[in-house]
Amino acid sequence: SQQGEEDPQALSIQEGENATMNCSYKTSINNLQWYRQNSGRGLVHLILIRSNEREKHSGRLRVTLDTSKKSSSLLITASRAADTASYFCATDRSNAGNMLTFGGGTRLMVKP
Amino acid sequence: GAVVSQHPSWVICKSGTSVKIECRSLDFQATTMFWYRQFPKQSLMLMATSNEGSKATYEQGVEKDKFLINHASLTLSTLTVTSAHPEDSSFYICSASDWTDEQYFGPGTRLTVT
Repeated sequence: SQQGEEDPQALSIQEGENATMNCSYKTSINNLQWYRQNSGRGLVHLILIRSNEREKHSGRLRVTLDTSKKSSSLLITASRAADTASYFCATDRSNAGNMLTFGGGTRLMVKP
Repeated sequence: GAVVSQHPSWVICKSGTSVKIECRSLDFQATTMFWYRQFPKQSLMLMATSNEGSKATYEQGVEKDKFLINHASLTLSTLTVTSAHPEDSSFYICSASDWTDEQYFGPGTRLTVT
């Protein structure tokens, strides 16, 4: 079953704007990861944040993690049309080895 | 490095037939492989976890006799959808993890059952 819920389910913005996606989960985790999926394609790993980390950056990506609220956010700054994709969070639960549980995903459209 | 391939990338089959999907780790040994199913505009749902040389562990609600998983070597796992029906049409994605436990995803296989 899905552990995470993401919001919004869909987001449409103009090129150059920032996009923020949120993910909530239910159980204790070892880490949380964000993935991108272009339509009909496989997953591209974006960033991993461990349970003892609060914020992480990678290029135009910024991820935060609040374990007290069991939530994470992904911020894409200065968005580009090529960022159009679905974004998923996935949690690696503390008592489940390295099994990943995916959130529902956010479909991001960046208009040129 | 850490490339995972799937074959075929897409397949169309008739209802009642069986389809085999291969997942290969090309440049590393995968101690564990995972199979996911993704319906249109939905998220990935874990179907089963397989370790090389042992039986797969299926998630609740996934029929093990319908979705046969074989993980015969450290670089290959296969998923066979037996007696496929139109409701089995989906995007099937595998992932493989090495000793670091990081998962590397394949490009997916789109199955259409007519």
